Amino acid sequence: GDSVTQMEGPVTLSEEAFLTINCTYTATGYPSLFWYVQYPGEGLQLLLKATKADDKGSNKGFEATYRKETTSFHLEKGSVQVSDSAVYFCALCSASKIIFGSGTRLSIRP
Amino acid sequence: DARVTQTPRDKVTEMGQEVTMRCQPILGHNTVFWYRQTMKQGLELLAYFRNRAPLDDSGMPKDRFSAEMPDATLATLKIQPSEPRDSAVYFCASGSGQGADTEAFFGQGTRLTVV
Repeated sequence: GDSVTQMEGPVTLSEEAFLTINCTYTATGYPSLFWYVQYPGEGLQLLLKATKADDKGSNKGFEATYRKETTSFHLEKGSVQVSDSAVYFCALCSASKIIFGSGTRLSIRP
Repeated sequence: DARVTQTPRDKVTEMGQEVTMRCQPILGHNTVFWYRQTMKQGLELLAYFRNRAPLDDSGMPKDRFSAEMPDATLATLKIQPSEPRDSAVYFCASGSGQGADTEAFFGQGTRLTVV
């Protein structure tokens, strides 16, 4: 069946560092891909998405490119801030079914 | 500001009791999801509905869990009888669109503790 695998955390970085969180997927057909973010005590919020191969999703300085050849959707940000500390989830949607990866906890030191 | 509303936010119950969690999806959304989040298992899809009809509930323990949508403004998740291993945060999400073009909007979750 469909699945999403993302790098295990926690990831700890200093403010202004470069961020990469790896995500790969397995799916039949042509899924849409998402990154969601979860702040403490809250539900998940959509961060960005891409609906077809080579699409780049971007929001709040975060980017991810849909790579069909490597079945990947890695999340990147050039300069992280303390306010980016949260748990990040990679997800795919196929036939209206949304499946999430295990989540990566990110902590940013001032 | 449209949002998914879940009640209750917190629930503590004794083992063996029935628990009902409620969700009001965003008006106009035709897809509703139920997820369970634990430290050990992460975010698991329990069931989802489209136009109030169940599409897939294979992630749900059928002997004790049930999910329904009595109408377009209410989704329920029931556990009877509850067990300590059911302790988790349960999220409802709603979305619109079709096929791969479905985006989920999450509620704030119900934190369930079964003692």
